Order: sequence, then C-alpha cells, then structure tokens
Amino acid sequence: KAGVTQTPRYLIKTRGQQVTLSCSPISGHRSVSWYQQTPGQGLQFLFEYFSETQRNKGNFPGRFSGRQFSNSRSEMNVSTLELGDSALYLCASSLVGTARMNTEAFFGQGTRLTVV
Amino acid sequence: GENVEQHPSTLSVQEGDSAVIKCTYSDSASNYFPWYKQELGKRPQLIIDIRSNVGEKKDQRIAVTLNKTAKHFSLHITETQPEDSAVYFCAASIGGNEKLTFGTGTRLTIIP
Repeated sequence: KAGVTQTPRYLIKTRGQQVTLSCSPISGHRSVSWYQQTPGQGLQFLFEYFSETQRNKGNFPGRFSGRQFSNSRSEMNVSTLELGDSALYLCASSLVGTARMNTEAFFGQGTRLTVV
Repeated sequence: GENVEQHPSTLSVQEGDSAVIKCTYSDSASNYFPWYKQELGKRPQLIIDIRSNVGEKKDQRIAVTLNKTAKHFSLHITETQPEDSAVYFCAASIGGNEKLTFGTGTRLTIIP
C-alpha cells in the first residue's frame, strides 16, 4: 500500500506570491491534516479535512486555506507569501476512529517551502 | 486549547544506557498520546502510542507510561543504539478529533 505522497518536495517562491501544495493520502484514509514545521515553533496544526469538509482549524491567518476532493486528496494554499511562511509543510492521513479512540496518523515526506 | 510541554529539549546518552523523555498536557479530555520519531530529513513516524484507558505500554525496547491524574506521559528507551539518534515528539489528541498537539521535540543523541 502506497504511503502518503506530497508534491512538490521543494518550492522556492517570492514574497507576495501564492502557492498550492498537494497531498495524496493512503488509500482508504478519509482524514487529511496539515502541519507546519519550523525550527522555532515545532509542529503546528493548520487544519484537518474529512469528507471534503474542514473539521478543525488551527491558529493560522486566513492566508492559509485548504480543500479536500472526493477522492480524499487534499490541497493547501498560502496566499500573499511572507518570509515567515518558510517551513516544512507536512500532511498526515488517518482512518477516522470512533468518537473516543483516534487512530495512527501517517505523515508524508513534506514540502519544503522557501520564501525569498 | 490543548498545550503539550516536552522535556528535555536535548538528551545525550551513552550507547546501551536508557533514555527518558517526559511530556505534560493541559486538557483532561485528551485520551490519545502518540510518540513520533523524526530522523534528519525524514518524515515523522509513529513509534508507540497509548490511550487513556491504559497506564503503560511496551514494545521491545520502547515503553510509554501515562499518569492521567498528573496529566503527564513519558517515553522510555532501554538499551539505546546509535540508530535511536533522532528527534522525538510527543503529542496529544481528543478522541474523535484528528488534531494532534505536539510537544516541542527532544533531540536524542546516542554516544557510541
């Protein structure tokens, strides 16, 4: 079974531009979450999608948005890029557990975004 | 919201010795606590997890303990090996909510 796939692996963008990152979850996984990883802030939750709906959202500005398609693939978009958006963006997919028990989140390799 | 604190931020141990990493969480509703290992340039990978209905879980050289009353959980690695060198993250989540709140990570270095 293929793992979580993120594309592209690396991106260099200029301040003010926008960027779209893609994540293909493990087959059968319906939940996709996105995280931003930086040396200073660690792993910060951006948002989570399930059945094409955003279920959870972290504390990031509205410039960060996402969506999920009917095949569970997800994209995240960052508009009006700032230097501080340079980071490793990770997505994770999981089977949706019960209301009381979560299941393992599997991470992709990430997209390294550099804003210059 | 949930807050997870992790200590220490760096840890160096002699090969063969044990390593312990500790985390505390703030939201008593959290009931799922995974630990991830991230090697340099690689994705985080789950090494062990524990749920709130269990106090301890062991998998070969790795064990995790959970104290719900004190709201803290710990990772124990015994008989450490060079390949254990990595950054380890603890996390917490509430059942039914896929959001993981991570600790700030511990860089573990095994000294041969």
